[in-house]
Amino acid sequence: EDKVVQSPLSLVVHEGDTVTLNCSYEVTNFRSLLWYKQEKKAPTFLFMLTSSGIEKKSGRLSSILDKKELSSILNITATQTGDSAIYLCAVNAGGTSYGKLTFGQGTILTVHP
Amino acid sequence: GAVVSQHPSRVICKSGTSVKIECRSLDFQATTMFWYRQFPKKSLMLMATSNEGSKATYEQGVEKDKFLINHASLTLSTLTVTSAHPEDSSFYICSARDRGFGEQYFGPGTRLTVT
Repeated sequence: EDKVVQSPLSLVVHEGDTVTLNCSYEVTNFRSLLWYKQEKKAPTFLFMLTSSGIEKKSGRLSSILDKKELSSILNITATQTGDSAIYLCAVNAGGTSYGKLTFGQGTILTVHP
Repeated sequence: GAVVSQHPSRVICKSGTSVKIECRSLDFQATTMFWYRQFPKKSLMLMATSNEGSKATYEQGVEKDKFLINHASLTLSTLTVTSAHPEDSSFYICSARDRGFGEQYFGPGTRLTVT
């Protein structure tokens, strides 16, 4: 059974801090790893990492995939209160379950002013 | 980014009635759509995978006769919660996979409350 584990489960920081969120996975036929941000509604897409694209960056957010360690990190620098959300990591496995995402538990990030 | 809509965003129904939730991909074709359920402060739980023109694939423990899924076109999938009960109250989210790029985009979700 595919498994995705995120840590920490929750994190409280102050504006300006840098945070690192972790995601590890055990899946068969790995295709990609995705990061999402969820506020009050449904998740919004952040990054997709694959064997051919193991590092992504967008503004203050960046993510790296370590295929050897079967893990990924999501970094947020100079955090702002608007970064407060649940961050979800999901893995897309291939084979008969192509396209199906297995989600981690999520990390609840709270950024205080 | 790609846009996925869901309708309704919020619905309250009486126990025993059925509720239909629509999921549409607005600017891309989605051969596959997924339906998730999310409890408060919990992660998303995949309920079923919906493929255009074929029967949905349900995850273990999800009753296919209770959660009817139809994916009649490349831009529309529907989830019908039949004979709803209070324990079906939850946040239901759909996602659509872009045929071209493989990324999944989520709809805004539907909050179902069964009284």
